[in-house]
Amino acid sequence: DVKVTQSSRYLVKRTGEKVFLECVQDMDHENMFWYRQDPGLGLRLIYFSYDVKMKEKGDIPEGYSVSREKKERFSLILESASTNQTSMYLCASSLTGVNQPQHFGDGTRLSIL
Amino acid sequence: AQKITQTQPGMFVQEKEAVTLDCTYDTSDPSYGLFWYKQPSSGEMIFLIYQGSYDQQNATEGRYSLNFQKARKSANLVISASQLGDSAMYFCAMVLNTGFQKLVFGTGTRLLVSP
Repeated sequence: DVKVTQSSRYLVKRTGEKVFLECVQDMDHENMFWYRQDPGLGLRLIYFSYDVKMKEKGDIPEGYSVSREKKERFSLILESASTNQTSMYLCASSLTGVNQPQHFGDGTRLSIL
Repeated sequence: AQKITQTQPGMFVQEKEAVTLDCTYDTSDPSYGLFWYKQPSSGEMIFLIYQGSYDQQNATEGRYSLNFQKARKSANLVISASQLGDSAMYFCAMVLNTGFQKLVFGTGTRLLVSP
C-alpha cells in the first residue's frame, strides 16, 4: 500500500530557528512535492523534485529550501523561521504521468512563535 | 496560467441523498488532467477520482462520479447516497501534461452530511 510519512504531526518552533520537515515515501516514486495549506487559500506548491538532487521552485518558494539526497526522502527547510510561515505543510509523491495521482502524507502543523 | 475555481465554500446534504460539488477550470492547454481529493478533519488528503481531458466518458469510482463538461470547462464531483463519513473538505485540482506533475488546487468546499 502507498505510504508517505511526515516526521511530525505537530511542531512548535521559535522565530529565527532553522526548521527541518522530513518526508519519506516507500513507493519508489520519482516525483515529490511540498505544499502549504492555509484557510481560504487551498494548497500552494512550495517546491517539487522530479529526481534525486533535482528541485524546482513552485509558486511560493521564498523563505524555503529543499533537499533530496535519496529518492525516498524529500526535506523542506525553513532557513530562518518567521511567524508568517505558521501553517499546515503537506508532502506528496507521485509517479510521472498526467493521470498519476499524488499521494499525501498526514501533514505537519507548524507553529512559529 | 491555470486556475481552479470552487465557488461553494460550504455545502449541506442529508444522509443518503446525492450532492454535486462544483469545479471550473481555466487553461489554454489541450492536454490536462483533473483530480478530486477529500480531506477529513484528520488532515490527510485522499485521492478520489481522475478525469483526463481526452477521456470520452465521465470517470466513476464507486459512489463518486465526475460530471465533465469540456466546453464549459467544468468538472463537478457527484457523490451519490451520501454517508456521514463523507463530511470533509473536497478539493478540485488540475495538472497540465507538460512533463512535471504540478497540481493547481482550488480553495475547496466543505461538505457536511447530516443524519
